[in-house]
Amino acid sequence: EVQLVESGGGLVQPGRSLRLSCIASGFTFDDFAMYWVRQVPGKGLEWVSGISWNSGTIGHGDSVKGRFTTSRDNAKNSLHLEMSSLRPEDTAFYYCVKSTSRWLDFRYFDIWGRGALVTVSS
Amino acid sequence: QSALAQPRSVSGSPGQSVTISCSGTSRDVGGYNYVSWYQQHPGKVPKLIIYDVNERPSGVPDRFSGSKSGNAASLTISGLQAEDEADYYCCSYVDSDTLAFGGGTKVTVL
Repeated sequence: EVQLVESGGGLVQPGRSLRLSCIASGFTFDDFAMYWVRQVPGKGLEWVSGISWNSGTIGHGDSVKGRFTTSRDNAKNSLHLEMSSLRPEDTAFYYCVKSTSRWLDFRYFDIWGRGALVTVSS
Repeated sequence: QSALAQPRSVSGSPGQSVTISCSGTSRDVGGYNYVSWYQQHPGKVPKLIIYDVNERPSGVPDRFSGSKSGNAASLTISGLQAEDEADYYCCSYVDSDTLAFGGGTKVTVL
């Protein structure tokens, strides 16, 4: 079964850091670009970042650029999101999502993880 | 990042058709055929139902269809069913390698 499982969410104070991870199974992880998409509870979706199959191309949305870093470890089938200088407006469910291409083509996402809730509050 | 414009809600009776619009610009919807649609039931994860404007993944009923004209895309649900009650999000590639989602449309089956 194709599966993405996020971990690392939780409550964090403003200005602090947090690292999310996503473990993939059921498909050849290093054949596909991966992305992070977030959703404020009860609100819409927002693209956070994307990383190509070989980490050669990485992109971040304007609202997190310079604060978030995306990486992957193909040997461990894992995707990571390092979040720093966190703000209350970063509070959201963070979904790990799989693309159908090796490259960051932003076409569509066929598999979504269940999400990890990050709450930024003092 | 630009946000695509969707109506907040649409409704229809079982068996009817409803159409959800997704309005963008020439930098996103109008400039590329990379429009996708996601269905999200309450408390669930988004599910891909349309990609590349009008393609359906396997397993998605053919009552879901997508189209595009100019800078606007549309999702039509024909023969509305109770299980179609959900939130629907459009999504498009934006030039300079970013991605935009619509604000979401709640579909209510009367």
